[in-house]
Amino acid sequence: GAVVSQHPSWVICKSGTSVKIECRSLDFQATTMFWYRQFPKQSLMLMATSNEGSKATYEQGVEKDKFLINHASLTLSTLTVTSAHPEDSSFYICSARSSEVYNEQFFGPGTRLTVL
Amino acid sequence: GENVEQHPSTLSVQEGDSAVIKCTYSDSASNYFPWYKQELGKGPQLIIDIRSNVGEKKDQRIAVTLNKTAKHFSLHITETQPEDSAVYFCAARYDMRFGAGTRLTVKP
Repeated sequence: GAVVSQHPSWVICKSGTSVKIECRSLDFQATTMFWYRQFPKQSLMLMATSNEGSKATYEQGVEKDKFLINHASLTLSTLTVTSAHPEDSSFYICSARSSEVYNEQFFGPGTRLTVL
Repeated sequence: GENVEQHPSTLSVQEGDSAVIKCTYSDSASNYFPWYKQELGKGPQLIIDIRSNVGEKKDQRIAVTLNKTAKHFSLHITETQPEDSAVYFCAARYDMRFGAGTRLTVKP
């Protein structure tokens, strides 16, 4: 199947700093990418949907100024957590929907963010 | 938006037994129903999916059934093995809103 990578796989940062997470589709073009957040023993919560070349659509309750999303190309989307705080510590997962195979989505391995 | 409910939240079976996880959805326009397996510390992996024009799909020990009238779909795992132990998520529609997840434990 198609491969989606995330970088970094884990990151530890100090409170107040910003962290950028990259999501790449390695062998297919992704017109749409999704960002999820997952707290321990909970389901994946959709944060935002991003389409290449346009602004991301954020879910209710997700601050767009805090979680900046850039989908600059058909293979790359980035999520920047600005002014991170301990409550932002979570597992962030991206997924990419192939423009070639209708509806199929492939998930990245996730990025564990710990804010001290 | 779509509301997806998943049951049970935890499921424990003996190796070799079958496991069934059920999801219900609210939006009759939903047309794509994937199932994902997530192991600890990893991203979800697609294990099987079904589209609205099909009632059942099978892939070796895994099968998914869809009842569009009742708006529910189920994951069936036969001859379970310890390596099937994981959290399983269902989703409905293209915008991938997930069910709450089912933690499956297969006891050897």
